[in-house]
Amino acid sequence: AQSVTQPDIHITVSEGASLELRCNYSYGATPYLFWYVQSPGQGLQLLLKYFSGDTLVQGIKGFEAEFKRSQSSFNLRKPSVHWSDAAEYFCAVGAMDSNYQLIWGAGTKLIIKP
Amino acid sequence: NAGVTQTPKFRVLKTGQSMTLLCAQDMNHEYMYWYRQDPGMGLRLIHYSVGEGTTAKGEVPDGYNVSRLKKQNFLLGLESAAPSQTSVYFCASSRERPGNRRTDTQYFGPGTRLTVL
Repeated sequence: AQSVTQPDIHITVSEGASLELRCNYSYGATPYLFWYVQSPGQGLQLLLKYFSGDTLVQGIKGFEAEFKRSQSSFNLRKPSVHWSDAAEYFCAVGAMDSNYQLIWGAGTKLIIKP
Repeated sequence: NAGVTQTPKFRVLKTGQSMTLLCAQDMNHEYMYWYRQDPGMGLRLIHYSVGEGTTAKGEVPDGYNVSRLKKQNFLLGLESAAPSQTSVYFCASSRERPGNRRTDTQYFGPGTRLTVL
């Protein structure tokens, strides 16, 4: 069965500092992978997705993520965070043998220090 | 476009009461989903629909029923609410079937916060 692990429940970063949020998945073949962001009191919004090809994926709001098959990881990065990036970030994985339904990580809450 | 809307935004029920949550989308999407979000557990799929008149069970369907009589609406019903159903419920829609690189994006509503006492 597939699973998604986001090891960090909370991360605190100073404004202007770089950010990396971790996501590890468990799946036998190559899954397809997503990062979504949930701002306070809002629904989720897609940041980026990986299906195949270039392992470095660019998304909205200056985010990028890198798929590393050898580490079963899909970490999200941003070179310089802004206060508006404070939100909860969810990694999700989909695969053909689960009828493409997404399995979601538990989320990482990003706190920005001024 | 309003995107995906959910009604109501908040609700408090007593154990055993029933209610229906309404999800509406104006993007002509085929697929619709109901999730629940609980602290520390991410999103879990309750039911989904691959088109008008169809429904299917997700990961945690027990205690819930759904209907999709119109393409734009997806209703989630709780026939006899239990405290374990206290959660935030999200509806989402996507244009086509999952697994398609171009269109596999889910669009989410703002959520319904349900408390069952």
